[in-house]
Amino acid sequence: RKEVEQDPGPFNVPEGATVAFNCTYSNSASQSFFWYRQDCRKEPKLLMSVYSSGNEDGRFTAQLNRASQYISLLIRDSKLSDSATYLCVVNPYKDTPLVFGKGTRLSVIA
Amino acid sequence: GAGVSQSPRYKVTKRGQDVALRCDPISGHVSLYWYRQALGQGPEFLTYFNYEAQQDKSGLPNDRFSAERPEGSISTLTIQRTEQRDSAMYRCASSGTGAETQYFGPGTRLLVL
Repeated sequence: RKEVEQDPGPFNVPEGATVAFNCTYSNSASQSFFWYRQDCRKEPKLLMSVYSSGNEDGRFTAQLNRASQYISLLIRDSKLSDSATYLCVVNPYKDTPLVFGKGTRLSVIA
Repeated sequence: GAGVSQSPRYKVTKRGQDVALRCDPISGHVSLYWYRQALGQGPEFLTYFNYEAQQDKSGLPNDRFSAERPEGSISTLTIQRTEQRDSAMYRCASSGTGAETQYFGPGTRLLVL
C-alpha cells in the first residue's frame, strides 16, 4: 500500500462548481498534513496546511480525519485559475521529509 | 526575496556521463531537500540536509547518486554514469528552522540519451 494515495482524476468541473478531493495515508503516527498545488511545468507550492479541527482559507476548506486516516480538500465556487494538480502531502514525523501523493488533476471549464 | 534556485534548468547528456545539479536554497534556510519527479507523479524523496549534515539518504536509488552541502548552503546532487532511467525532473526544496513548509525551486529537467 502506498503511503499517500489520491485519485489522479482528472476532475473536469464547470466554473462555479464545488469540488472535493480526498486522500488517504497509511502511517497512523503521521504528524502534519498539507495540500500543495502544482501548475503545469511549475514547482509545487504550499496551498494550505491541514489541521485536526479543519481549516478554511477563502474558498478552500481542508479537513483531517485521523481515525480514518484521510484528508480532504473542498474548493467552492471554482475558478478557471484553480485548474492545477493538487498534491496531498504528509509529514510522518517531525524533521523528516515530506511524503507526496501522486496528485489529483483539476480542470475548471468555462 | 529570492526563492530557491536551481541550475541548470535543462540538462541533456549522453548515457555514461556524470552530471552535477546545483541547488541554491533560500538564504538562511537550514534544511534542504532533493526530490525526483516523474511525469504524472508527485515528488519522490531522495535525500536531505540540515545545515551541512546529510540526515537521510534513504531515497537515493543507488550508489551512482550522491549529494553534498559542504558549507550548509548550496547543495550539489551528482549522478555518475548516467542511465536513461535517470531522466526526470530533479527538484530541490528548502525550509527554515523548525518550519515544515518547504519551498521548491524550478527544478532541473534531466534527459539522458
